[in-house]
Amino acid sequence: AQSVTQPDIHITVSEGASLELRCNYSYGATPYLFWYVQSPGQGLQLLLKYFSGDTLVQGIKGFEAEFKRSQSSFNLRKPSVHWSDAAEYFCAAGEVTGGGNKLTFGTGTQLKVEL
Amino acid sequence: EAQVTQNPRYLITVTGKKLTVTCSQNMNHEYMSWYRQDPGLGLRQIYYSMNVEVTDKGDVPEGYKVSRKEKRNFPLILESPSPNQTSLYFCASSYLAGGIQETQYFGPGTRLLVL
Repeated sequence: AQSVTQPDIHITVSEGASLELRCNYSYGATPYLFWYVQSPGQGLQLLLKYFSGDTLVQGIKGFEAEFKRSQSSFNLRKPSVHWSDAAEYFCAAGEVTGGGNKLTFGTGTQLKVEL
Repeated sequence: EAQVTQNPRYLITVTGKKLTVTCSQNMNHEYMSWYRQDPGLGLRQIYYSMNVEVTDKGDVPEGYKVSRKEKRNFPLILESPSPNQTSLYFCASSYLAGGIQETQYFGPGTRLLVL
C-alpha cells in the first residue's frame, strides 16, 4: 500500500538557522508530491508541489524541496527559519490509479522555533 | 473571495444520531475531498470526488457517506456516529490537471465530538 513517512514528529531550531524536514514515500510508481503547512487552529496551506521535471522545486515563504527518486524522498528545506515558520508541516503524495486519485498524507512534523 | 466553507464549525452529538457536515466551494473545482485529522495520525482521506456523481473511497471510509449532486457541494454524512469518529474534519477542493489534483484548498475545519 502507498505510504508517506515523516520520521521526525517534533523539530526545534533556532531562528535564523537552516531547516530540513524529511519525507519518504513508498509507491509503486513516481507519485506527485506536496508539502503543506498548518498553523495552529487553521486549515492547510500549500507550500510547494512536484509533478515532474526539475527535481528542485521552489515554494512560498522561501521554502524549497528536492525530489530524489533513488531515495524515495522529498525533503523540505529553508536556509534561514523565521519565528513565524513555527507550525505543523505535512508531506503528501498522490497517484492516479484505476481512474481514481487518492492522496496520502504523512503524520506531520511539528516545528518549534526558538528565538 | 475564493474559498471552501464548512458548516458547522463545531458540533457535539450523541452516538447514533445522524448528522451531516456541509462543504461548499466557489472555485468551480472538479475534485473535492474529505479528511479527518487525529493527533499522531496526520490527515487521512475519507472520500473523494472527481466530479459530479463520481465518488470513491479514501483510506478510512467506514462509517461515512458522501454525495456529489452539484459541483460546488460535497456533504459528509455520518448515518450513525460513534465515539471513534470524534475528530477534526477538513474538506478540500482542487482543479484536476491531466487527471492530477492541483493545489488543494482547505476549509477551516469542523470539530466533531461524539458522546
